[in-house]
Amino acid sequence: DSGVTQTPKHLITATGQRVTLRCSPRSGDLSVYWYQQSLDQGLQFLIHYYNGEERAKGNILERFSAQQFPDLHSELNLSSLELGDSALYFCASSPGQGAAQPQHFGDGTRLSIL
Amino acid sequence: DAKTTQPPSMDCAEGRAANLPCNHSTISGNEYVYWYRQIHSQGPQYIIHGLKNNETNEMASLIITEDRKSSTLILPHATLRDTAVYYCIVRAIYNNDMRFGAGTRLTVKP
Repeated sequence: DSGVTQTPKHLITATGQRVTLRCSPRSGDLSVYWYQQSLDQGLQFLIHYYNGEERAKGNILERFSAQQFPDLHSELNLSSLELGDSALYFCASSPGQGAAQPQHFGDGTRLSIL
Repeated sequence: DAKTTQPPSMDCAEGRAANLPCNHSTISGNEYVYWYRQIHSQGPQYIIHGLKNNETNEMASLIITEDRKSSTLILPHATLRDTAVYYCIVRAIYNNDMRFGAGTRLTVKP
């Protein structure tokens, strides 16, 4: 158990819809990272928040947005969903920023678009 | 971040040491070497990381060559539960993201 909690574990929805994925980081961790894993793209970094502020963006679509709340949990919002958005979405957390400390991953949310 | 090269697959006999190589010939002095693994579709699991020196923890050992251009992850006594995809990642000190490649699919056989 990494200590990172993601909900829901599975989500099934239709094209054009909007969903929210939730992540609770490990106790004491200030950084939250979101990754997407699809069959053809592998694991790709989406976005990083540190103590409520956006710090880095990766290959995140404009239809996707995220935020980190004062209690440090984070939400990833996906809108106008397309079939290609079907993927595993992982959240990771670390105490601070940078590469000196490892990121610890949750078990992910499996999103299926019908 | 420097690019890494790993063999796509490896087999290992149960109870034997598994030695997973990674080439990172363009690594720079401020880049860490990280290893993660992913079992089925679970979240990637942190194994170990190092900057210049060899490292050991309860899961594995990381051997980094003196020129830092390659490294080896050693699982001392592989079990069937170690069957997974293993990712070698190079991260610059200031980088907040991690770039996963295709990894090495390790199969531990009875």
